Amino acid sequence: EAQVTQNPRYLITVTGKKLTVTCSQNMNHEYMSWYRQDPGLGLRQIYYSMNVEVTDKGDVPEGYKVSRKEKRNFPLILESPSPNQTSLYFCASSYSTQETQYFGPGTRLLVL
Amino acid sequence: AQKITQTQPGMFVQEKEAVTLDCTYDTSDPSYGLFWYKQPSSGEMIFLIYQGSYDQQNATEGRYSLNFQKARKSANLVISASQLGDSAMYFCAMREGMVIQGAQKLVFGQGTRLTINP
Repeated sequence: EAQVTQNPRYLITVTGKKLTVTCSQNMNHEYMSWYRQDPGLGLRQIYYSMNVEVTDKGDVPEGYKVSRKEKRNFPLILESPSPNQTSLYFCASSYSTQETQYFGPGTRLLVL
Repeated sequence: AQKITQTQPGMFVQEKEAVTLDCTYDTSDPSYGLFWYKQPSSGEMIFLIYQGSYDQQNATEGRYSLNFQKARKSANLVISASQLGDSAMYFCAMREGMVIQGAQKLVFGQGTRLTINP
């Protein structure tokens, strides 16, 4: 089954404790992206990657890191999480020439 | 300025009625794409429908249609014969630029929460 998976789905952590949210897709998509969703703000792009070893900042990259060592994986790293990073996070992917992006199930993060 | 505006924070509709969710957009790029996504209470983002800026006809997907009025910069989602399962948050989104040039970022509106009453 073609899908985008994220882990963990739910995470409660404390300020300053490094964490990684994994994203994996099995559709051989070149393009992958991370968004965060906050009430009243819709979804905002954090980082994106056009292909392996090619990443760039989105609209709200502060406090986040990403890497793209393999085509299928695009982990989101929070080196020192803060409470304002409490949010619902989505990973998305698509072919580089395709219009439609497919979203993962989301990861709910609470930073205390 | 907001690139995507959804002016209806919430809507309540009787089952089997048609419903229109409003979306206006702002761009100066002649090439863009407009999307609608559904987010049920479980949280996932489900792609519903897509309209390209050069498409001559309004997009349709089953009970979903997109009323694309380019001059007015509006891309309203129409759901015909609404069902209880249509209750969800709905997001309008836009991609500016050409996909082949690597323009893939989606800009989202704030969303409209639709509730279908039995």
